[in-house]
Amino acid sequence: SYVLTQPPSVSVAPGQTARITCGGNDIGSRSVHWYQQKPGQAPILVVYGDSDRPSGIPERFSGSNSGNTNTATLTISRVEAGDEADYYCQVWDGSSDHLVFGGGTKLTVL
Amino acid sequence: QVQLQESGPGLVKPSETLSLTCTVSGGSMSNYYWSWIRQPPGKGLEYIGYFYYSGSTNYNPSLKSRVTISLDTSKNQFSLKLSSVTAADTAMYYCARGQGHYYGLDVWGQGTTVSVFS
Repeated sequence: SYVLTQPPSVSVAPGQTARITCGGNDIGSRSVHWYQQKPGQAPILVVYGDSDRPSGIPERFSGSNSGNTNTATLTISRVEAGDEADYYCQVWDGSSDHLVFGGGTKLTVL
Repeated sequence: QVQLQESGPGLVKPSETLSLTCTVSGGSMSNYYWSWIRQPPGKGLEYIGYFYYSGSTNYNPSLKSRVTISLDTSKNQFSLKLSSVTAADTAMYYCARGQGHYYGLDVWGQGTTVSVFS
């Protein structure tokens, strides 16, 4: 089955840029989505279709998906304390026709 | 604004069937994928399965033999049944809406905790 690999943790100082990666075989050919989950809350969609933002998500959140490196990236600019959360990437595995989530990355704002 | 709300027993005994319902308010169930996702304590998200409004279903292969997801558009609800539960099925269970493979899961319920123990 398809596997998505995320770093367990990323740390960044307020005001800096955080980059969270999601690795997978031929991920560039898939549509990648990103979710933010704060403690005790349900996940919310922050990026879909590699780089689109749902209504209400700040422009500080952006996504990219490079086929050359087999890696998709969620970038959070001008990080704020309120961005501290777990972040999950997700794709649709066409071969098995089901959703796949990455293991999640805990973003710590120093 | 579409909202989802999970409901069901918070405690289930081993070997019994877990049954949850997700009520959809503020929108139609047509043209969407209605999904169940779970999260064991302290762990990541796990896909359980979906029911597409047209009638097709899809389940995580690791759970497929025990899972049934159904839709009741007259009540604006969809349901999850997971049979023969064990302690490994203890988790927060979320229902969610998807618009298609390109769009991700754009609306989530708040989640409901299910514990399996005797």
